[in-house]
Amino acid sequence: GQNIDQPTEMTATEGAIVQINCTYQTSGFNGLFWYQQHAGEAPTFLSYNVLDGLEEKGRFSSFLSRSKGYSYLLLKELQMKDSASYLCAVRDQGSGNTPLVFGKGTRLSVIA
Amino acid sequence: SQTIHQWPATLVQPVGSPLSLECTVEGTSNPNLYWYRQAAGRGLQLLFYSVGIGQISSEVPQNLSASRPQDRQFILSSKKLLLSDSGFYLCAWSGGQGLTYEQYFGPGTRLTVT
Repeated sequence: GQNIDQPTEMTATEGAIVQINCTYQTSGFNGLFWYQQHAGEAPTFLSYNVLDGLEEKGRFSSFLSRSKGYSYLLLKELQMKDSASYLCAVRDQGSGNTPLVFGKGTRLSVIA
Repeated sequence: SQTIHQWPATLVQPVGSPLSLECTVEGTSNPNLYWYRQAAGRGLQLLFYSVGIGQISSEVPQNLSASRPQDRQFILSSKKLLLSDSGFYLCAWSGGQGLTYEQYFGPGTRLTVT
């Protein structure tokens, strides 16, 4: 089966750093993806990891450990506009055609 | 660059009425296409995906169906809507000419069944 777990909600202060964790259990693995979804809008792609380690993209970084079935999204210098849901998703088979399986998302609230 | 369109943006339909939601992709060919539904406060549920014209894989048995009449067109339909069909419907694409690995979503259709 497939299981992707993330915290339901998190709160952080403007200017701070926040780490959103994701653990997964899937029959196979071919990539982990992070998306941002503002309320009422569609998800937008943030990052993709297929090898272990850290991928950095501006204020956002994503880390993967395949042996632990674990990833995190790190958001630095938080801004109010970062208040959104963050979705962790996994492609669990070798083909690029395979749809992503999504976690339920972590709702992040950034407060002043 | 690639763009994905969905319409309508919002829809209010009575129980028992039919449904047709359309999704089109521009700027690439032979994309993989997906339909997801997001119920209020819940995660994204994969409904259908397609790797080519006329090829549809169904993930969840229900009163919805999908069709892909053209390479870059994906349609979600129902003959009779249920209250439980309410939700945010999202079309997505991946693959295509650039073998794009991640999925990109359209703006979504918010459906309310009354």
